[in-house]
Amino acid sequence: QSALTQPASVSGSPGQSITISCTGTSSDVGSYNLVSWYQQHPGKAPKLMIYEGSKRPSGVSNRFSGSKSGNTASLTISGLQAEDEADYYCCSYAGSSNWVFGGGTKLTVL
Amino acid sequence: QVQLVQSGSELKKPGASVKVSCKASGYTFTSYAMNWVRQAPGQGLEWMGWINTNTGNPTYAQGFTGRFVFSLDTSVSTAYLQISSLKAEDTAVYYCARGEYSSSSADYWGQGTLVTVSS
Repeated sequence: QSALTQPASVSGSPGQSITISCTGTSSDVGSYNLVSWYQQHPGKAPKLMIYEGSKRPSGVSNRFSGSKSGNTASLTISGLQAEDEADYYCCSYAGSSNWVFGGGTKLTVL
Repeated sequence: QVQLVQSGSELKKPGASVKVSCKASGYTFTSYAMNWVRQAPGQGLEWMGWINTNTGNPTYAQGFTGRFVFSLDTSVSTAYLQISSLKAEDTAVYYCARGEYSSSSADYWGQGTLVTVSS
């Protein structure tokens, strides 16, 4: 099972919007609406930001949104804030009770 | 509130074994799966597999078969990860993460356990 493909880094200025892509295959992202996104600050445990493609857990800001088209899922963060600077990982169900993570994207808020 | 509390950092020699614990509280332990995720120094997250807390049946990701064992003690709401025949490349932070059976996502995570393998 190969890792999902994410850009290594993205950046944006406060107040702007950014989108992080997550490209898989027809065996994972393309077959299931089961993509989740995690935020990880340095030295901390990951935090669930989006599940089932576009749903937000309680307490997660509505500035975070998820979507999918074909084999590519996307995380959009609007109204960028300094505290959004972190690593972001996508994860997809890949069939047969297996998951696969993306390689991670470092978000820099300029 | 939901909490997953993992055991402390470990320093082991190559060839030794290590057992990491993950104690759950604040919810019914058997109502959710438990996932294990590895993060090598400076690297990304890697899903190791999960264990069904109702049946005890584990599922291991490719690359995590043989030396890795998931287990449970439901009487104390604790999941375990045991790694045998440790190698230097097993040096990493290991996380447990509670998983919804239906949504394939992990909503609560332990604080992580650093396992260092060095002679």
